[in-house]
Amino acid sequence: SQTIHQWPATLVQPVGSPLSLECTVEGTSNPNLYWYRQAAGRGLQLLFYSVGIGQISSEVPQNLSASRPQDRQFILSSKKLLLSDSGFYLCAWSVLNRGVEAFFGQGTRLTVV
Amino acid sequence: GENVEQHPSTLSVQEGDSAVIKCTYSDSASNYFPWYKQELGKRPQLIIDIRSNVGEKKDQRIAVTLNKTAKHFSLHITETQPEDSAVYFCAASFKGQNFVFGPGTRLSVLP
Repeated sequence: SQTIHQWPATLVQPVGSPLSLECTVEGTSNPNLYWYRQAAGRGLQLLFYSVGIGQISSEVPQNLSASRPQDRQFILSSKKLLLSDSGFYLCAWSVLNRGVEAFFGQGTRLTVV
Repeated sequence: GENVEQHPSTLSVQEGDSAVIKCTYSDSASNYFPWYKQELGKRPQLIIDIRSNVGEKKDQRIAVTLNKTAKHFSLHITETQPEDSAVYFCAASFKGQNFVFGPGTRLSVLP
């Protein structure tokens, strides 16, 4: 069966520090991968999505970047965190030939202090 | 790109009553419309979805309707229960790519 792993679950980082969140998917190949951010009490903001290795589409210009070094690995990074980067970050995947449902990881709660 | 609006932002109903949440989308190419339920501190979970070739879909107490011409779709929950209290998100997607979510509706079912 397919599973998605996202870590860490919680993270507290000082302003100006770097960030690296990792997401991996098991049990499927060539998934579409997504990074979403959810501010406290707010909706799901699409940050990046990827339809293949090295193919990244950015939805919102900001100090975050994403990379997909392997088919089932999606990394969200920042060189210097801002206070406004705090939030709940969710990785998700979907595969066309299994219908089109997006499955979410457990999420990472990031607090920038 | 796609833009999804969702109303209301908050909704309170008495237990046993019905709840309706409405969404509109902008991109006529979108052909897949899922609804997710997110409980506090947890990840969103799919509760029902509909594709553009279908006008209505029902699963027990939950139903979704789609009007492609007007580009809007709605979630209907009947006989609401306290465990239905959560944040609900609609989304629009084209062939499972680039899911765009609405801002969410916080549903409170009052006992």
